[in-house]
Formats: sequence, C-alpha cells, structure tokens
Amino acid sequence: GDSVTQMEGPVTLSEEAFLTINCTYTATGYPSLFWYVQYPGEGLQLLLKATKADDKGSNKGFEATYRKETTSFHLEKGSVQVSDSAVYFCALSRTRGYNKLIFGAGTRLAVHP
Amino acid sequence: DTEVTQTPKHLVMGMTNKKSLKCEQHMGHRAMYWYKQKAKKPPELMFVYSYEKLSINESVPSRFSPECPNSSLLNLHLHALQPEDSALYLCASSPTATENTEAFFGQGTRLTVV
Repeated sequence: GDSVTQMEGPVTLSEEAFLTINCTYTATGYPSLFWYVQYPGEGLQLLLKATKADDKGSNKGFEATYRKETTSFHLEKGSVQVSDSAVYFCALSRTRGYNKLIFGAGTRLAVHP
Repeated sequence: DTEVTQTPKHLVMGMTNKKSLKCEQHMGHRAMYWYKQKAKKPPELMFVYSYEKLSINESVPSRFSPECPNSSLLNLHLHALQPEDSALYLCASSPTATENTEAFFGQGTRLTVV
C-alpha cells in the first residue's frame, strides 16, 4: 500500500543553519505530495505542495521538489529561525478512491538561538 | 477565508458522559474529514464525508458517531469513551473527496477522557 517514510528526529539546529528533512514515498500512480507543519498545541498547517514530477513547492523560505525517479520530496530551508521549531509531516494523497492523506511519522525540529 | 474552525479547543469528559465536537468551514468544500492524533504520532483518518454523506468509516468504534448537518458543518458525537480515546481530534476539509488534493485542517480539539 501507499506509505511515507521520514527521517527520524529530533533535528536540533542553531539559528541560521541549513535544514534538510528527508522524505521518501511509495505509491501507485502519481500522488500529490505535501509538507504540513504542526506548532506546539496546534493543528496542522499546509506548508507547501507539489502535484506532479519535477514540481517545486515553496513557502516561507521552505522548498521541496517532487522527484519521481527517487520517489522523494525532501524539505529544505536555507536559514532556519527559532520560530520554525515545530513538527513537520510529509504526506501524500492517494490517487485511487477517496482522498485520504497518508502521513509520515513526523520530524520534530528544534532551533536554538 | 481558508479557515476550518473547531470547538471546543479543550474537552475533559468522564467515561459515562455524552459530548460533541463541532467543526465548521466556509470554503465551499464538499468533503470533510475527522482525524485522530495521538501524542507524538501522525494523524489517522477516522471518517470521510462527501456531499454531506458518510463515505468512509475507517473501522471506528461506534462510541464515535459523526454527523454532517449541512455542507459547512461536521459534528462528532462522543459517548461512553475510554481513557485511551484521549487524543487531539482534527477536522479537515477539501474541495472534493475524490481528487488527490490537500486538506485544510482546523486547530483541533484536545480531548481528555477521565
């Protein structure tokens, strides 16, 4: 079945460091791919998305490119801030049947001043 | 307006209580969802409503009873819950239930069963 694998956290960085969170997926067809962010005590916010191969999603300095050949959708940011501390979920939406989001396990990011 | 609003934000209930969670969206979306999220875990789908009809029940126990009174509202009725049902309950919506598109989530209701 469809699945998403994320790198395990926590990831701890100093402010202004470069961030990469790896995400790979297994799916039939051509799913859409998403990164969601969850700040402490809150719901999920859509951070960025890509709907087809080679699409690059970007938002708030974060980027991810849909790589069909490596089935990956890695999240990157050039310079993280303390306010980026949160849990990041990679997800895909199924291409068959009803629209069910399949989430990775989540990666906790902690950014220190 | 890209908001999904959930009430209450926090809820504590006893195992013999009956309570309801409420969700509202005004984006004109025709699909609405309930997800359950345990601590340090990703969300798990519970129910899918499409055009106000229940389309999918992911084998959820009958002590959870969803209801969709109209295209903007989604409720989750709770009865005789167990402590292990304590979790963050997230409502979400999307334009339709059949396209592989993103869902927009509410802030969630943090439920504690005592």
